[in-house]
Amino acid sequence: KAGVTQTPRYLIKTRGQQVTLSCSPISGHRSVSWYQQTPGQGLQFLFEYFSETQRNKGNFPGRFSGRQFSNSRSEMNVSTLELGDSALYLCASSLGGVGTEAFFGQGTRLTVV
Amino acid sequence: AQKVTQAQTEISVVEKEDVTLDCVYETRDTTYYLFWYKQPPSGELVFLIRRNSFDEQNEISGRYSWNFQKSTSSFNFTITASQVVDSAVYFCALNGGATNKLIFGTGTLLAVQP
Repeated sequence: KAGVTQTPRYLIKTRGQQVTLSCSPISGHRSVSWYQQTPGQGLQFLFEYFSETQRNKGNFPGRFSGRQFSNSRSEMNVSTLELGDSALYLCASSLGGVGTEAFFGQGTRLTVV
Repeated sequence: AQKVTQAQTEISVVEKEDVTLDCVYETRDTTYYLFWYKQPPSGELVFLIRRNSFDEQNEISGRYSWNFQKSTSSFNFTITASQVVDSAVYFCALNGGATNKLIFGTGTLLAVQP
């Protein structure tokens, strides 16, 4: 069974640009969550999508957005990039029920210069 | 408010030593779930275990064991006879209430020296 796939693995962007990250969940999983990991703030929840609907949202500015497609694949978009957006972005896939195991991808390392 | 505290920032042991990673959580929910994840240098968070708040039975899986105590709000993780391959950052996480959101601790960096 294939795991969670995130693309691309590495990205370098310039301040002010926008970026789109992709996540393909485990087959059969309907929930996709996104997390940001930085040395200063640790792992923080961005948002969760379930059946193409945003179900939960963390405390991030509106520059961070996402969507989920009918095949459960999800994309995350960050507009008007800031230096502080440099982080490892991790995607988690689960069946969707509260408390079910979440399986993570290898992440996308975003560097904003 | 929900919170997870991993007071140990870094632990260094010599191979074959036993090591315990501490995790203390706070929640007002009566139903909640606790997790441990391992993050090797590659970056991926590897799922290790899930526990729900109604199951205080300790669990052992090979060299790994977990001790869940609701009375002290702790969910500690012990590695017996540690190996170099156990070197990683270990995260404890809490999921409570009606959402699927995970609240992570700050992680413990475990270095196992040969």
